[in-house]
Amino acid sequence: QKEVEQNSGPLSVPEGAIASLNCTYSDRGSQSFFWYRQYSGKSPELIMFIYSNGDKEDGRFTAQLNKASQYVSLLIRDSQPSDSATYLCAVPDYGGATNKLIFGTGTLLAVQP
Amino acid sequence: NAGVTQTPKFQVLKTGQSMTLQCAQDMNHNSMYWYRQDPGMGLRLIYYSASEGTTDKGEVPNGYNVSRLNKREFSLRLESAAPSQTSVYFCASRGPEIVFSSEQYFGPGTRLTVT
Repeated sequence: QKEVEQNSGPLSVPEGAIASLNCTYSDRGSQSFFWYRQYSGKSPELIMFIYSNGDKEDGRFTAQLNKASQYVSLLIRDSQPSDSATYLCAVPDYGGATNKLIFGTGTLLAVQP
Repeated sequence: NAGVTQTPKFQVLKTGQSMTLQCAQDMNHNSMYWYRQDPGMGLRLIYYSASEGTTDKGEVPNGYNVSRLNKREFSLRLESAAPSQTSVYFCASRGPEIVFSSEQYFGPGTRLTVT
């Protein structure tokens, strides 16, 4: 069974700072990773997908993948109070009739004004 | 285009009662999923369906049944509710069968309390 681990937090950062969220995974063969954001009382929404080693940037968000060390990070630059949410890391599981996602427990980010 | 819809949004049941959670998607997706989310436990897969007429167990299927009525609809049934099934339930569907990159789209969730 694949496992995905995240620090539950809360991670508290001041407005304008860089927030760094980390995720480690157990299956060395995993090749792609998803970051979902979930506001309190709402459903998860995809904010980033990364497949290859290195960095992927999308606006204020940067995902970093290090397959050798089996971790994936999400950096949020110029953090805003509206970024306060739980961030879920997920890894695909390709066994079975269709692809599934294995989710971490999420990291709660609190951006202080 | 409503995406993934779920009904009801909230429900309170007594132990032993039954109910069906409804889910529908209008994105013409083949794969659909039911998750439960509990504090500190993350999202756990209950059942999933790769296509109309097929269903498979996920990580926590005990106490639940599902039906993939057609390509659009995937329902989750609790035959005899227990307090341990108090949770938030999310339905999701997945985009085209592109290797590695197909994201899952989530419905708004059903908040279920079993007393």
